[in-house]
Amino acid sequence: AAGVIQSPRHLIKEKRETATLKCYPIPRHDTVYWYQQGPGQDPQFLISFYEKMQSDKGSIPDRFSAQQFSDYHSELNMSSLELGDSALYFCASSLEAFGGSTDTQYFGPGTRLTVL
Amino acid sequence: AQSVAQPEDQVNVAEGNPLTVKCTYSVSGNPYLFWYVQYPNRGLQFLLKYITGDNLVKGSYGFEAEFNKSQTSFHLKKPSALVSDSALYFCAVRDGGGGFKTIFGAGTRLFVKA
Repeated sequence: AAGVIQSPRHLIKEKRETATLKCYPIPRHDTVYWYQQGPGQDPQFLISFYEKMQSDKGSIPDRFSAQQFSDYHSELNMSSLELGDSALYFCASSLEAFGGSTDTQYFGPGTRLTVL
Repeated sequence: AQSVAQPEDQVNVAEGNPLTVKCTYSVSGNPYLFWYVQYPNRGLQFLLKYITGDNLVKGSYGFEAEFNKSQTSFHLKKPSALVSDSALYFCAVRDGGGGFKTIFGAGTRLFVKA
């Protein structure tokens, strides 16, 4: 079965640079979530999109922005990178449409971002 | 506001023995509760969930969890642990009354010794 795809899997950036992380949800899933997991930490909810509209916002810094496109893939844009942004970034997808909801988020393998 | 507590950083159990990983939650509406497992340098894998219905839910790999509303708990259990169950386990909660925000617990590392 198709899973959530994230690219790139690894990314190394310098301080103050920008980064773009991509997420391709499971086919037919209409909702995408982004999480940040620091070393030894639990996943922290950043933001979610349902049907291409922002649905919820968590602890996402103002330097970060995200969107969901017409084909349901999502991109997380990170600017003015700081050392503390080094983490594993997970994308998850779910089907939330009424009558078809799975209520379950399926996670991608993550993108490991290292800021030097 | 939602919150999840996993009171144990680590649980040690011998192979073949039953295991329990504890989770308590706080949410204003009806809780949607989830357990995920994470292996090193891997994404989170869904184990099971409680949305409504029977308080005892069965999931992947022989795991089950019991929803206890009065104790606001959702402990993960398995009757007989395997060495391959050793991993990091996360409990998560979402407010079923609306919203997509999902809060994860700090995680519990399970060690199963042969």
